[in-house]
This record gives sequence, structure tokens and C-alpha cells, in this order.
Amino acid sequence: AQKITQTQPGMFVQEKEAVTLDCTYDTSDQSYGLFWYKQPSSGEMIFLIYQGSYDEQNATEGRYSLNFQKARKSANLVISASQLGDSAMYFCAMIPPGSASKIIFGSGTRLSIRP
Amino acid sequence: AAGVIQSPRHLIKEKRETATLKCYPIPRHDTVYWYQQGPGQDPQFLISFYEKMQSDKGSIPDRFSAQQFSDYHSELNMSSLELGDSALYFCASSPSAQREGRDTQYFGPGTRLTVL
Repeated sequence: AQKITQTQPGMFVQEKEAVTLDCTYDTSDQSYGLFWYKQPSSGEMIFLIYQGSYDEQNATEGRYSLNFQKARKSANLVISASQLGDSAMYFCAMIPPGSASKIIFGSGTRLSIRP
Repeated sequence: AAGVIQSPRHLIKEKRETATLKCYPIPRHDTVYWYQQGPGQDPQFLISFYEKMQSDKGSIPDRFSAQQFSDYHSELNMSSLELGDSALYFCASSPSAQREGRDTQYFGPGTRLTVL
């Protein structure tokens, strides 16, 4: 069975600093997808970034990058130059192979940006 | 760009009542997923549909049922509501994996259900 582990329940970071949110996963599948979603206090779930297990390069989307280390089964999210609007809950998630597959979420990390 | 639409955004019901949540996927997305997120919890998968057929089932109570219609919109029907059903219900959609090569799911804004 697949499992996602986020060991940081909460983090405080100074505005404009970079921040790394940790995520490790467990799966026996060779093919899978990894995601990060952002959930602000308003509740919506916002897709941030995707990494496929066979992608050789780390995914990057604007200020977000995913530090993918397949051998260590880690998929850390790096946010550069943090902004006050980055304050939110961040979920690491995984999807096993196959279409119409459910996403498995970690427990989340609540990130708070200090001005 | 068009996003997933969910209605209603907020719903208040009494115990033992029924509720129907609606989801309109992103155009050209043929796969719909339903998730339940309790207070302080991560989202839990309930059920998914691909091309109007149920494709996967998670921890969905027998009191709940869902379907996907010919226009790809989906409805989650909840009967005999309990206090524990109070949660944020997300619908997500994705394009066919065969076309896009991956299964990125885009979430709607959610329906916040409160059972009193």
C-alpha cells in the first residue's frame, strides 16, 4: 500500500526566505506520480507541481520546485523567496499507476510566513 | 482557464436529512473524483468515475451514492446524514490519462457541509 509522510506539522519562515517542506513516500510501484497541493484558509485545494517517477529532471513551476530523490523516496517542495500569501497548509500526495486512480495525501504541513 | 465547479458552496442540513452535491468538471475532462476532508484532516478518497462508469471506490459509506452523467458532471447523494458527515467535500477532475500521460487532478473549491 502507498503511504505519504510529512513530518513537519507546522513551520514558521521569514518573508523572502526560501523554505523546504519535507515529504517521503512508500510504494512498491515503479510508476507513480507525486504532487504538491496548497490549501489556504479559504479551503480550496490548489495544484502546485507534479513529478512523474520516470522524470529525470526535478519539476519546476515558478517559485516552486520539487527536489525529487527517487532512491530515498523523497519529494520535498522548495518555495523560493516566500511571500505572505504562501501561508497555507501544504499537502504532499501520490497517485499510483492507472487511470482514474485516487490520490493519497500526507497529513500536511502548515506553513506560516512572518512579515 | 475554466476550473472545476461545485455547488452549493455551503450547505447546512439536519441529522437524517439528505443532501446532493454537484460537480462540473473542467471541459474535456472525463474523469471525476470525490474526496471528503474532515476538520484538521487530509482529504480522503470516496469514489471516482471514468466515462460515466465507476472506476474506483474508497471509504464511501453505504448511505452515500454517486453517479456521472452523459455531460460528465457528477452528483454525490448523501442520505440519513449524521453529525460526522460534516466536512469539506471536494470534487476533482482530470483528463483521460491516455491523452495527457498523467493523472493530475484539479480540485474544485469544495462544498462545506454542516450537519446539525
